[in-house]
Amino acid sequence: AQSVTQLGSHVSVSEGALVLLRCNYSSSVPPYLFWYVQYPNQGLQLLLKYTSAATLVKGINGFEAEFKKSETSFHLTKPSAHMSDAAEYFCAVTRWGYGGSQGNLIFGKGTKLSVKP
Amino acid sequence: GAGVSQSPSNKVTEKGKDVELRCDPISGHTALYWYRQRLGQGLEFLIYFQGNSAPDKSGLPSDRFSAERTGESVSTLTIQRTQQEDSAVYLCASSSTSGSRETQYFGPGTRLLVL
Repeated sequence: AQSVTQLGSHVSVSEGALVLLRCNYSSSVPPYLFWYVQYPNQGLQLLLKYTSAATLVKGINGFEAEFKKSETSFHLTKPSAHMSDAAEYFCAVTRWGYGGSQGNLIFGKGTKLSVKP
Repeated sequence: GAGVSQSPSNKVTEKGKDVELRCDPISGHTALYWYRQRLGQGLEFLIYFQGNSAPDKSGLPSDRFSAERTGESVSTLTIQRTQQEDSAVYLCASSSTSGSRETQYFGPGTRLLVL
């Protein structure tokens, strides 16, 4: 079975500071991993995804994440936070089962990012 | 083009009533997913449809929950005899196929409150 753990339900950074949101996964098969962002009262929007190509994945809005198999991690980073980055961020892994991909995503509990001026 | 749309955006109902939530996927997307987002509990998978295949219902929490999809078009999630614990945001997503690499595109959700 696959699972995702996001460390820290709430992270606060100052504008211009480094953003680091942590995600660790558990999977018995090579995982496909995703980061989604949810702005208040909106649906989820894909930031980036890892699908077994390059381990460093670049996404929208200056975010990137690095797949580290040895650490079972897929942490999300951004060098310099903007006020507009304040949102909730979800890490997810594709569910696999007998016969291959089951299609749906398994999500972490989310991390709320606050950005202080 | 248009994204995933859901209706209603908000629904308040009384305990014991039935509710129907609607999802219009992106045109041409064969895969459709329903998730539930309860406060402080992240997103939980409910059900997914892929083309004309039998839906994967493994995430439905009880037999009060059911969903239908007409071909590769709209889907309706029905909750019968609603309970207070059903209060949540119900999110629909669609993707071009059900492949595990595919990006799922989410609608804005329906916020359900059961009194």
